[in-house]
Amino acid sequence: DGGITQSPKYLFRKEGQNVTLSCEQNLNHDAMYWYRQDPGQGLRLIYYSQIVNDFQKGDIAEGYSVSREKKESFPLTVTSAQKNPTAFYLCASSPIPGQRAYEQYFGPGTRLTVT
Amino acid sequence: GQQLNQSPQSMFIQEGEDVSMNCTSSSIFNTWLWYKQDPGEGPVLLIALYKAGELTSNGRLTAQFGITRKDSFLNISASIPSDVGIYFCAGQIPSSNTGKLIFGQGTTLQVKP
Repeated sequence: DGGITQSPKYLFRKEGQNVTLSCEQNLNHDAMYWYRQDPGQGLRLIYYSQIVNDFQKGDIAEGYSVSREKKESFPLTVTSAQKNPTAFYLCASSPIPGQRAYEQYFGPGTRLTVT
Repeated sequence: GQQLNQSPQSMFIQEGEDVSMNCTSSSIFNTWLWYKQDPGEGPVLLIALYKAGELTSNGRLTAQFGITRKDSFLNISASIPSDVGIYFCAGQIPSSNTGKLIFGQGTTLQVKP
């Protein structure tokens, strides 16, 4: 089945450690996105990528880094510089170009807890 | 920056009742999307709207793209317990060709059997 996978579902880290969240899609989508969701909040964009080897900062990129070496994969690293990393992280993808370019499809999310 | 105001923030209804929620913006959008998120899961796309005035249904769900392009509405008819979750609206910024969306804060729906 086509879809987006994120692993692991739950992740625990000590403060000061970098951690990488995995996102893989087999939908053949060009664009991929990372969002952060805090309790009772909407989705805030961290980074996005429209094409392999290219990505742009979203609204809250500080303390995060990404890479896009393959079309299928868009891993997110939460660095020790991120002041409040505990959150629910969502990866999404969408097909571009075309009208349906704005239909983003989401993975199941990774809940990161940093203590 | 651009914002979407989604209301109501939460709803607690009886099974079988109809539900209405909406999103408004001070800016126009070219595309409106509605998502549902179950607890601990990723949002699932329910309905996508592409033209002002467009009315689209998906089962018991009906969504409309406001004629001013600054708002959108989602209605759920004859609610059932599995409708419980958070509903998000999202809009596409006209000046953006990157696929970026703006999301509302969500409407939390609870259904009493």
